[in-house]
Amino acid sequence: GAVVSQHPSRVICKSGTSVKIECRSLDFQATTMFWYRQFPKQSLMLMATSNEGSKATYEQGVEKDKFLINHASLTLSTLTVTSAHPEDSSFYICSARDLVRVGQPQHFGDGTRLSIL
Amino acid sequence: AQKVTQAQTEISVVEKEDVTLDCVYETRDTTYYLFWYKQPPSGELVFLIRRNSFDEQNEISGRYSWNFQKSTSSFNFTITASQVVDSAVYFCALSEASGGSNYKLTFGKGTLLTVNP
Repeated sequence: GAVVSQHPSRVICKSGTSVKIECRSLDFQATTMFWYRQFPKQSLMLMATSNEGSKATYEQGVEKDKFLINHASLTLSTLTVTSAHPEDSSFYICSARDLVRVGQPQHFGDGTRLSIL
Repeated sequence: AQKVTQAQTEISVVEKEDVTLDCVYETRDTTYYLFWYKQPPSGELVFLIRRNSFDEQNEISGRYSWNFQKSTSSFNFTITASQVVDSAVYFCALSEASGGSNYKLTFGKGTLLTVNP
């Protein structure tokens, strides 16, 4: 079945560091990828919709300059948390929608646990 | 605006009991998709089912079954003869079926199911 690879799975770094998370669709093309954030014991909250070749669409309340999204190809989107602080510690998970199989369930990566010290 | 309500925050059962997880949704769209995902402690999201709004047939897959009632805007999930491995957080989700929305998912807050031996 369709696979989405998310890397790294876990990051621990100092406050002020920028962290890049990659989301790759391995066996399908995805013009659209989604980035979610999940705090402990809470639901997944959509942060932004990443569109290949164009600017990402951010949800209300999400800082564009803080969470940089690049979707340079049909198989790769990256999320960069710039100058991360402890409050950015969270579980970040991406998903991708198959370009061809419209309406099929989004395929999720395994997530990235980000811990900022 | 879309909304998904999972009123049960936590459920605890003893192994072999049947358990039903409730999901109620709100949408103005006539065409939409409903989903259930399982999130074990490791964090990844496991896709369980997708249901089109036009398909009100109930579905059974092994010990899992789903009851879609459009009249009450509910999409409940039942696990029969629960097992310890079923312990996880279960999310109900809704997406519009129009391309303009990019099929964004709206998640409920999740239900933590604990199955005790």
